[in-house]
Amino acid sequence: GAVVSQHPSRVICKSGTSVKIECRSLDFQATTMFWYRQFPKKSLMLMATSNEGSKATYEQGVEKDKFLINHASLTLSTLTVTSAHPEDSSFYICSAGGQATYEQYFGPGTRLTVT
Amino acid sequence: AQSVTQLGSHVSVSEGALVLLRCNYSSSVPPYLFWYVQYPNQGLQLLLKYTSAATLVKGINGFEAEFKKSETSFHLTKPSAHMSDAAEYFCAVSEGDTGRRALTFGSGTRLQVQP
Repeated sequence: GAVVSQHPSRVICKSGTSVKIECRSLDFQATTMFWYRQFPKKSLMLMATSNEGSKATYEQGVEKDKFLINHASLTLSTLTVTSAHPEDSSFYICSAGGQATYEQYFGPGTRLTVT
Repeated sequence: AQSVTQLGSHVSVSEGALVLLRCNYSSSVPPYLFWYVQYPNQGLQLLLKYTSAATLVKGINGFEAEFKKSETSFHLTKPSAHMSDAAEYFCAVSEGDTGRRALTFGSGTRLQVQP
């Protein structure tokens, strides 16, 4: 089956530093990847849609300069949280689109804690 | 625009009892509908999906859901709850075959199973 990995699974960083989260489709190519954010005991909110070779499309209210997304290959998308602050602490989940439009495979998530 | 409403943030059932988790959606185009399960600190696992074929959809772990267009509903059921079913459940919608693939999630329902 289609497998999506995320690295790291957990990261703790100091306020003001930047953190990069990787999302990889391990056994398929994904032209489209999605980044979601989940606050504690809350639902998932779409942050951006990442298309290979082009700029990401950000949802309203998501700061593109703070959450940098790069989708340089068909198997890798990265999310960089720049100048992280404690309010950026969250669970970040990526997904990769399969061939069919209804196919979307989720990674295991990355727990970011900013101290 | 799309939206998903999950009635009941917490549902508690006895082991062996019927599980019913409610989901209503709003979509301006024919939707695709999904149910996901999330265990603590983990990513999402797809339970089942509706993609405009059969309206009664069977998924993994004995779950099923019925798409009712007239009621704009996609409720999740399981005849007999197991302790291992205790988790957070999310209903989600996308814009079908013609629209964008990103998912809009409901707020989630936490299922508790009492022994």
